[in-house]
Amino acid sequence: DAGITQSPRHKVTETGTPVTLRCHQTENHRYMYWYRQDPGHGLRLIHYSYGVKDTDKGEVSDGYSVSRSKTEDFLLTLESATSSQTSVYFCAIGGSYEQYFGPGTRLTVT
Amino acid sequence: AQKITQTQPGMFVQEKEAVTLDCTYDTSDQSYGLFWYKQPSSGEMIFLIYQGSYDEQNATEGRYSLNFQKARKSANLVISASQLGDSAMYFCAMREGAPYNFNKFYFGSGTKLNVKP
Repeated sequence: DAGITQSPRHKVTETGTPVTLRCHQTENHRYMYWYRQDPGHGLRLIHYSYGVKDTDKGEVSDGYSVSRSKTEDFLLTLESATSSQTSVYFCAIGGSYEQYFGPGTRLTVT
Repeated sequence: AQKITQTQPGMFVQEKEAVTLDCTYDTSDQSYGLFWYKQPSSGEMIFLIYQGSYDEQNATEGRYSLNFQKARKSANLVISASQLGDSAMYFCAMREGAPYNFNKFYFGSGTKLNVKP
């Protein structure tokens, strides 16, 4: 199994609070991704990174920011959480022929 | 327009029978890749099979095969001899572009497969 961990695994937060999710990999992979999974939508790309300090937006990036100061860590921040951001968040690493996913973080915004 | 379309929200199959999960895709790129993932109720995403757009033969991995019909832009997953442990959500995904640059991946909405004993 690819060495990808996510923290926290579960979080409940209130509307308007900032939240940071962490993805940590031990594979030294250059490319990292954040997705959200919602019923009926599959996985949708939020942000991705193609190297340290190199990040870009995906298809559902509004309300999210990311940072990558080290190869192994990719942080996703919800600057002011809203109920529409209640979701399961997956981090992934990979290249062109595969993507390996972390275990996911279940976030509930009340 | 949807990049990946999975038209079967849910399916049932009898144990030991074969089942086909449908996937169609939309891209104007000549080079792309197609993937299937399994997500059991425990939530992890498990890579099953990959097909490159230039691969002439259909990909196979054990009981999984990918029925690739390029002209129809379809990439159906065939599971032979279904097992109870195959009950899960299945996602089709596409990598757009050639496999030597950074690529984005697009996922379908999934098909929930239930295997009946």
